[in-house]
Amino acid sequence: KAGVTQTPRYLIKTRGQQVTLSCSPISGHRSVSWYQQTPGQGLQFLFEYFSETQRNKGNFPGRFSGRQFSNSRSEMNVSTLELGDSALYLCASSTGDVMNTEAFFGQGTRLTVV
Amino acid sequence: QKEVEQDPGPLSVPEGAIVSLNCTYSNSAFQYFMWYRQYSRKGPELLMYTYSSGNKEDGRFTAQVDKSSKYISLFIRDSQPSDSATYLCAMSVYGNNRLAFGKGNQVVVIP
Repeated sequence: KAGVTQTPRYLIKTRGQQVTLSCSPISGHRSVSWYQQTPGQGLQFLFEYFSETQRNKGNFPGRFSGRQFSNSRSEMNVSTLELGDSALYLCASSTGDVMNTEAFFGQGTRLTVV
Repeated sequence: QKEVEQDPGPLSVPEGAIVSLNCTYSNSAFQYFMWYRQYSRKGPELLMYTYSSGNKEDGRFTAQVDKSSKYISLFIRDSQPSDSATYLCAMSVYGNNRLAFGKGNQVVVIP
């Protein structure tokens, strides 16, 4: 069974640009969550998508947005990049069942903003 | 007060020793508790998943949850150099897939 696939693995962007990251969940999983990981703050929840709808949202500015497609693949977009957005962005795949929150992570996308 | 506290201090142990890790939390609504292992430059890998209080064992790994004390633990028996990684605790509320993470513990097992 294929795991969670995130693309690209590495990105270098300039301040002010925007970026789109992609996540393909485990087959049959309908929930995709996004997290930002930094050395200072650790793993922080960005948002969750389930059946093409945002179901939960963390405390990040509106520059961070996402969407989910009918095949459960998800994209995350960050606009007007800031230096502080440099981080490892992780997506987590789960069934979406409220009684089972086991989440499986991808390898992440390492974003560097210069 | 942070939702999940995990002392991020590094931990070095000799091969074969027992590794003991723990987290405390403040949100009494947490019901699902997880431990992840993260190798350098990789995504977190789910190690243990437990619901509510109690113990769960899987090979060399034992997870304990004490909801009355808001305290969870992970024990690694007969530690191996391949166990060298960062260990993260995570937890969630029933009906909500948002995971709240601890800062992680870097564990080094010395051969």
